[in-house]
Amino acid sequence: KQEVTQIPAALSVPEGENLVLNCSFTDSAIYNLQWFRQDPGKGLTSLLLIQSSQREQTSGRLNASLDKSSGRSTLYIAASQPGDSATYLCVAGGGSQGNLIFGKGTKLSVKP
Amino acid sequence: NAGVTQTPKFQVLKTGQSMTLQCAQDMNHNSMYWYRQDPGMGLRLIYYSASEGTTDKGEVPNGYNVSRLNKREFSLRLESAAPSQTSVYFCASSAPGTLGNYGYTFGSGTRLTVV
Repeated sequence: KQEVTQIPAALSVPEGENLVLNCSFTDSAIYNLQWFRQDPGKGLTSLLLIQSSQREQTSGRLNASLDKSSGRSTLYIAASQPGDSATYLCVAGGGSQGNLIFGKGTKLSVKP
Repeated sequence: NAGVTQTPKFQVLKTGQSMTLQCAQDMNHNSMYWYRQDPGMGLRLIYYSASEGTTDKGEVPNGYNVSRLNKREFSLRLESAAPSQTSVYFCASSAPGTLGNYGYTFGSGTRLTVV
């Protein structure tokens, strides 16, 4: 059974820092790995989607990597801003429709 | 704006009452999903519909029913609400592409409280 773990559960950094959020998954037979952002009381916003055949994806200040062999993904946020404060969810997509396994998230706080 | 629309945004029910959560997407996606999010548990799949006319159980289907009314709409029904169903419910949709490129789009959620 696939399990997705995110470390740390919470992180507080000063504005301007570069930071890394970690995600690990137990079953390497995934189709993709997706990172979402969730603001309090809001839905989930997709940030980056990495296919199983890819190693990384980039969007603006965000870079996500995927290492299937070690069961790890990282989300790198450059030059963090207070607007980046949110919960970041790592989601592993399996081999069948509907088989998305969510991590419990990392709650990020960026202080001005 | 294109995306996934959920109604209502908030709802309070008494134990034993029934209600239907509505979800509609205008992105022509084939697949739709219902998740619940509970503190410390992450999101868990309740039901999904791979395509119009099909529905399947997810991880936590007990106490729920679904209907895929057409390609756009996927509703979730609680026949007899219980306090354990207090949660935030999210609807999502996806469009399968090659090599399983299932990018997902989520609605803004329905916050349900059962008293």
